[in-house]
Amino acid sequence: EDKVVQSPLSLVVHEGDTVTLNCSYEVTNFRSLLWYKQEKKAPTFLFMLTSSGIEKKSGRLSSILDKKELSSILNITATQTGDSAIYLCAVEAGNAGNNRKLIWGLGTSLAVNP
Amino acid sequence: EAGVTQFPSHSVIEKGQTVTLRCDPISGHDNLYWYRRVMGKEIKFLLHFVKESKQDESGMPNNRFLAERTGGTYSTLKVQPAELEDSGVYFCASRGRYLDGYTFGSGTRLTVV
Repeated sequence: EDKVVQSPLSLVVHEGDTVTLNCSYEVTNFRSLLWYKQEKKAPTFLFMLTSSGIEKKSGRLSSILDKKELSSILNITATQTGDSAIYLCAVEAGNAGNNRKLIWGLGTSLAVNP
Repeated sequence: EAGVTQFPSHSVIEKGQTVTLRCDPISGHDNLYWYRRVMGKEIKFLLHFVKESKQDESGMPNNRFLAERTGGTYSTLKVQPAELEDSGVYFCASRGRYLDGYTFGSGTRLTVV
């Protein structure tokens, strides 16, 4: 059965710390890996990774995919209280056409204390 | 551009009642998905529409769930009759035909008592 495992499940840090969130997967017909940030409402898109070893960066956030290790990490540097959220990892699986779906991890709950 | 809109945001119903959730995708997005998160578990896929057609409904739990997307615009998800285990947050997402990112709505929190 396809599965996505995130670690840690929860994390508490101080402002200014750097955090690394992990996502590993066992999925047939892998297409891409996505990271989302969920605060109170809708998960908001962070990154979509399809190629191994290419870092994607957006401000203080960055992410990279390792297809050999079937994993991805999400790094947040110089954390701020506004980074407090649940970070969700999802793997898109399916065929080359349009028949795809997302398989989700449980999420990592990050709390950044001032 | 308006995002994905879902309503109601919350619904509390009694076991055995019927509830209909609605999702308005981003205008022009052919692909519409329903997902559900039950407390303590991962978000799970329910079904996928391409325009008005059901592309994949393998995640629908049972025949108490009926999803429609008449005219290929908004979608509804009806639960009839609702059971306690149907409680959870129902998310809708849409995606353009070029298979770029998925945009999620804020979800409908359904509580069956």
